[in-house]
Amino acid sequence: NAGVTQTPKFRVLKTGQSMTLLCAQDMNHEYMYWYRQDPGMGLRLIHYSVGEGTTAKGEVPDGYNVSRLKKQNFLLGLESAAPSQTSVYFCASSFSGDKNIQYFGAGTRLSVL
Amino acid sequence: RKEVEQDPGPFNVPEGATVAFNCTYSNSASQSFFWYRQDCRKEPKLLMSVYSSGNEDGRFTAQLNRASQYISLLIRDSKLSDSATYLCVVNIYNFNKFYFGSGTKLNVKP
Repeated sequence: NAGVTQTPKFRVLKTGQSMTLLCAQDMNHEYMYWYRQDPGMGLRLIHYSVGEGTTAKGEVPDGYNVSRLKKQNFLLGLESAAPSQTSVYFCASSFSGDKNIQYFGAGTRLSVL
Repeated sequence: RKEVEQDPGPFNVPEGATVAFNCTYSNSASQSFFWYRQDCRKEPKLLMSVYSSGNEDGRFTAQLNRASQYISLLIRDSKLSDSATYLCVVNIYNFNKFYFGSGTKLNVKP
């Protein structure tokens, strides 16, 4: 009964380092999303995917890349981390259309020094 | 203008009180509406979907007013465990995106 699983849960990076956040869902959802949440702010969409092999930019895509090679996985990459990318990152997935409730992973807390 | 706007609060209420939150959305093409709950440093979790006819789940009642483009959440008989941030969310199918409000913080005090 895993739902949406994010790894890692915590990470500290130095400016300029790279890393990949992994999101995996076992609910056969078509859609997957990456958000960031900063103190006092709502969730902001970074990138999303409506199916295997497809990705699209959200509200704040700069500095991030994504890939969805398998339906169940959605990867978020930071090529050259910056302190402005210090945030909590949430992955979510959903069905399409009117069955579109989003389910979230537990989040990844990232600090860039 | 933000797609979804909420009063950030905090709403500080005593146990047993009734509290109401409102949320407005800007896109009249919005098709699905939700309230999510987020506890401190945790992921958002679905509280309830919001239907045009209004719906109730125990102590929680949600209403949708499409003409005025607002959504409301009413919590009756507040419990300490209701303390959280409540997120208003709308979805437009064709855009494949969910739009989140910044949340309303509720503190229920003994």
